[in-house]
Formats: sequence, structure tokens, C-alpha cells
Amino acid sequence: KAGVTQTPRYLIKTRGQQVTLSCSPISGHRSVSWYQQTPGQGLQFLFEYFSETQRNKGNFPGRFSGRQFSNSRSEMNVSTLELGDSALYLCASSLWTGSYEQYFGPGTRLTVT
Amino acid sequence: DQQVKQNSPSLSVQEGRISILNCDYTNSMFDYFLWYKKYPAEGPTFLISISSIKDKNEDGRFTVFLNKSAKHLSLHIVPSQPGDSAVYFCAASGGYQKVTFGIGTKLQVIP
Repeated sequence: KAGVTQTPRYLIKTRGQQVTLSCSPISGHRSVSWYQQTPGQGLQFLFEYFSETQRNKGNFPGRFSGRQFSNSRSEMNVSTLELGDSALYLCASSLWTGSYEQYFGPGTRLTVT
Repeated sequence: DQQVKQNSPSLSVQEGRISILNCDYTNSMFDYFLWYKKYPAEGPTFLISISSIKDKNEDGRFTVFLNKSAKHLSLHIVPSQPGDSAVYFCAASGGYQKVTFGIGTKLQVIP
């Protein structure tokens, strides 16, 4: 069974631009969560989607948004990029919403210059 | 406000010895705890978990201990191997809380 895939793996953007990251969960998994990882903050929860609905949201500004499609694939978008948005963005899939067992993708490394 | 704290950013251990990684939490609603391991350029992978109804859970070389009164858990790796060198994240969940992660501890096992 294929694991969680994320595209692109690396991205360089400039301040003020917007970016869209993609995540394909494990086949059969319907929940997708997004996390931001930075050296000093660890993994910070962004949001979770299940059945195309946002089920939970972390403490991030409205510039961070996401969506989920009917095939459970998910995208997250960051508008008006800031230098502080440079981070590793991780996607995790699980069978159901609220499941403790999450399977992570390799992440997208975003650098904002 | 860090609800899950890993106060040691790094740890070095000789191969064959015990590695002990510590984690403290503040939210009394947490009732399920997990450890994840992360290698560079890979996503975290689930390692071991423990429910609050237990105080110990073992899986091969990995044992997690939970002290609910102290709101403290620890991960023991015995014996440590060079392949265990990675960043270890402690995570906690409970009630309607999302899974909350600590900032990680980088373990280096020296051959």
C-alpha cells in the first residue's frame, strides 16, 4: 500500500506570494491533518479535514487555509507569504477523524525569501 | 503555551547503553500518549503509545512509562543502536483535543 505523498518536496517563494501544497493520503484513509514544523516550535497543528469538511483548526492566521476533495486528497494554501512561514509542512492521514494513529508524508520544505 | 514539553533538545548515548527521553504535559485531559521518531527528510513515524489506564507499555527495545500524578512520561530504548539516532517527538491527546506534539529531542547514538 502506497504511503502518504506530498508535492512538491521543496519550494522557494518570495514574500507576498501565495503557495499551494498538495497531499495524497493512504488509500482508504479519509482524514488528513496538516502540521507546520519549525526548529523551535516542533510540530504545530494547522487543521484537519475529514469528508471534505474542516473538523479542527489550530492557532494560525487566516492566511493559512485548506480543502479536501472527494477522493480525500487535500491541499493547503498560504497567501501573502511571510519570512516566518519558512518551515517543513507535514501532512498526516488516518482512517477516521480523531484517530490517534496518523501516518505522515515526507513533508514539503517551504523557503520564503 | 506548550502543553507538551520536551525539555532536552538533544541527547547523546553510547551504543548498547540505555537512552531515556523525557516528556512532561500540563493538560489533565490528555489520556493517550504517543512517541514518534523522525529521520531527516522523512515524516515522523509512529513508534509506541500508552493509554492513561496503564503505566507501562513495551515493544521490543522500546518501553514507555507514564506517571500520571507527575504528568510525566519517558521513553526508554535498551539497548540503543546507531540506527536509533533521530528526532523523537512526544505527543498527547484526549477528549476532543487534537494530537499535540512536543518540540522534539534529537538522539544521537554513538558507535
